[in-house]
Amino acid sequence: GQNIDQPTEMTATEGAIVQINCTYQTSGFNGLFWYQQHAGEAPTFLSYNVLDGLEEKGRFSSFLSRSKGYSYLLLKELQMKDSASYLCAVRSIPGGSYIPTFGRGTSLIVHP
Amino acid sequence: DTEVTQTPKHLVMGMTNKKSLKCEQHMGHRAMYWYKQKAKKPPELMFVYSYEKLSINESVPSRFSPECPNSSLLNLHLHALQPEDSALYLCASSYRGGLNTEAFFGQGTRLTVV
Repeated sequence: GQNIDQPTEMTATEGAIVQINCTYQTSGFNGLFWYQQHAGEAPTFLSYNVLDGLEEKGRFSSFLSRSKGYSYLLLKELQMKDSASYLCAVRSIPGGSYIPTFGRGTSLIVHP
Repeated sequence: DTEVTQTPKHLVMGMTNKKSLKCEQHMGHRAMYWYKQKAKKPPELMFVYSYEKLSINESVPSRFSPECPNSSLLNLHLHALQPEDSALYLCASSYRGGLNTEAFFGQGTRLTVV
């Protein structure tokens, strides 16, 4: 099975930087995804890490340490529209199928 | 085209009704997924199809019946649902292999069982 843990809720100020952590335990690890989901909408892909290190994409960066079972999503220059739920998803390959499993999500509230 | 299209967007059905949810993608993805999401909860995997064959069934009740008629289409047939089955049903697809193979999600069908 898999165990994915991330904080339930975080708050931050517009223009600031926020780091959302995700820890996981899984067998057959094959990558970690971060998704953003606004209320009532589908998740949208933000980033993907399969090797250790930092992946940067504009205002968003994601880091992975496979040995520690740890990832974080870094959001810079926060905007009000960044208020959303951020889902950490771990992909494993039991039996050859690529299965992304989601953590419970972190609700980020950005205030002025 | 990087879209996964789900229909209908909203569905209200009685406990004795039979209805179907539809999902379509034309990205050449050979893995397709059904997820169920309750309010303020993460998506929970229901079914996975890989190359049009059911590869994962996460102990979903038989009142949910998936079908993959071809590589672009995925259906979820609903029959005799319960009010607690009300949720957002998300379809997703991805390439089966490769490194950077994120899942693309449809907008979901918001299902209400009355």
